[in-house]
Amino acid sequence: GENVEQHPSTLSVQEGDSAVIKCTYSDSASNYFPWYKQELGKGPQLIIDIRSNVGEKKDQRIAVTLNKTAKHFSLHITETQPEDSAVYFCAARPPNQGGKLIFGQGTELSVKP
Amino acid sequence: DAGVIQSPRHEVTEMGQEVTLRCKPISGHNSLFWYRQTMMRGLELLIYFNNNVPIDDSGMPEDRFSAKMPNASFSTLKIQPSEPRDSAVYFCASRANPLTNTEAFFGQGTRLTVV
Repeated sequence: GENVEQHPSTLSVQEGDSAVIKCTYSDSASNYFPWYKQELGKGPQLIIDIRSNVGEKKDQRIAVTLNKTAKHFSLHITETQPEDSAVYFCAARPPNQGGKLIFGQGTELSVKP
Repeated sequence: DAGVIQSPRHEVTEMGQEVTLRCKPISGHNSLFWYRQTMMRGLELLIYFNNNVPIDDSGMPEDRFSAKMPNASFSTLKIQPSEPRDSAVYFCASRANPLTNTEAFFGQGTRLTVV
């Protein structure tokens, strides 16, 4: 079955710097890759997603890139702000499995003012 | 829209007791998922339903765990008897259409502590 690996597990950056989180997946048939942000005491919230027919997607300060050949995708956050501090999860959705998501282990991002 | 609603938000129970977690998905959503989150194992899918029918329960850890979805607006996850290792945050998520790549919306979670 699908397996998702996420790195790094923790990331600390200065306010204004960029942050990059990387994930790899094992099932080449997976076709949907969302990124979730989880703040303390809350459920994960979708911040951006990308489908397998697209290589890059951007939404203001966040962007996601997908390399299908290498089976990896990355989250890029530019001009980081303290409110970006949270745990970020990548996920992959294998096909024909009802929409289940396989999550990475999470990255705890800390943005220092 | 109120989003996915879970109750209770926190539950503390003694080992051996029955625990029932509740979820109300977003109205109109056809898929419902139960996830468990722990420090050691991250976010794990326990079971999911499409149109109220359980599709895949391979993530349910043991027979002590059971889930039902009697109608489109309500689901329960039951643990009987509960054990300390069941302590975790349990999330419910719903999704509009199982056939399209639409996003899944998560509830706020139920933090379960079994002592």
